[in-house]
Amino acid sequence: AQSVTQLDSQVPVFEEAPVELRCNYSSSVSVYLFWYVQYPNQGLQLLLKYLSGSTLVKGINGFEAEFNKSQTSFHLRKPSVHISDTAEYFCAVSVRAQGGKLIFGQGTELSVKP
Amino acid sequence: IAGITQAPTSQILAAGRRMTLRCTQDMRHNAMYWYRQDLGLGLRLIHYSNTAGTTGKGEVPDGYSVSRANTDDFPLTLASAVPSQTSVYFCASSEGQGGYGYTFGSGTRLTVV
Repeated sequence: AQSVTQLDSQVPVFEEAPVELRCNYSSSVSVYLFWYVQYPNQGLQLLLKYLSGSTLVKGINGFEAEFNKSQTSFHLRKPSVHISDTAEYFCAVSVRAQGGKLIFGQGTELSVKP
Repeated sequence: IAGITQAPTSQILAAGRRMTLRCTQDMRHNAMYWYRQDLGLGLRLIHYSNTAGTTGKGEVPDGYSVSRANTDDFPLTLASAVPSQTSVYFCASSEGQGGYGYTFGSGTRLTVV
């Protein structure tokens, strides 16, 4: 069975600092990988996704993620965060051969401080 | 604006009562999903539907039922609510299966007392 582990439940950073949110997945077959963002009292929005091809994926709001097959990781990065990036971030995986249902990690709360 | 509409936005429900959470999409997406979000557990799949007329069980289906009579609507019913069903419920849809990603509704915050 597939699973997703987000290694940090909370990440506090100062404004304009770089940030990395870590995500590892467990799967013996090919997967699609996603990062979603949830602002307070809202639904989830897609930040970026990896389907195939280049392992470095760029998304909205200056975020990017790198797929590392050997380490089964899909870490999310941003070189300089803003106060407005404060939100909950979810990593998710879907199995290509199993109908695309998303399995989510537990979430990482990013708190950007001035 | 194209998207997913969920209703109600929030609800306080007495234990033992029946409740239907509504979900409507206007994007003509084939696949629809219901998740519950609980602190520290992320989102867990309750039920899904790959196309109108079909449904399937997710990770935590017990106590919930769904129907998919048409493409646009995917209601979630709690037949007899219990306090452990207190959660935030999200409906989502996808153009197809696999790498399309989901579009999410704004959620229904349900409190069972």
